Amino acid sequence: QKEVEQDPGPLSVPEGAIVSLNCTYSNSAFQYFMWYRQYSRKGPELLMYTYSSGNKEDGRFTAQVDKSSKYISLFIRDSQPSDSATYLCAMRGGGGSEKLVFGKGTKLTVNP
Amino acid sequence: ETGVTQTPRHLVMGMTNKKSLKCEQHLGHNAMYWYKQSAKKPLELMFVYNFKEQTENNSVPSRFSPECPNSSHLFLHLHTLQPEDSALYLCASSQAITGAGELFFGEGSRLTVL
Repeated sequence: QKEVEQDPGPLSVPEGAIVSLNCTYSNSAFQYFMWYRQYSRKGPELLMYTYSSGNKEDGRFTAQVDKSSKYISLFIRDSQPSDSATYLCAMRGGGGSEKLVFGKGTKLTVNP
Repeated sequence: ETGVTQTPRHLVMGMTNKKSLKCEQHLGHNAMYWYKQSAKKPLELMFVYNFKEQTENNSVPSRFSPECPNSSHLFLHLHTLQPEDSALYLCASSQAITGAGELFFGEGSRLTVL
């Protein structure tokens, strides 16, 4: 079983749709959960991060972590064409481990 | 210059060539990283340097040789590469190597090995 599983898509939605992106993981030691966004021909940039379980909201973006199910989600409300990018989940343990484990990334296209 | 800059952006090399990738960060961070990004695969961590000292070598073949002369500069020396080494090589930096230390990535060096 891979440490982090993420459906690579591609995912195509109309403008204004609610988008749900998800990752599952197997390592119960993960404490820090992040979402990176990568535009074409660019490096990834941090979008949101959550420590342990719970929700975090930032504008149109909401990150959720369910540690009991080892499942994390990123929701995008009122999606815009500018949200078209690849979204990578990433996670790291809390015990001083510096290794950040990434998912494969989900390629999202929001059509006007 | 701001953020993390990588040069060259594109590189084509033969299997017998020797070349180097360069990364420079202007963020005052203490840690620098090399990642490999291949199609349909997760980002693969290659090397980590913290305060110029290598703290992680993720079982990378010796044909990849990193060098970190100071906390702002990172190099990846390449020699006798294989076609399967063709990928996007991303450099990143962070203030710390633990916790939620945000990684700041460069735009990457697209490497093609013929």
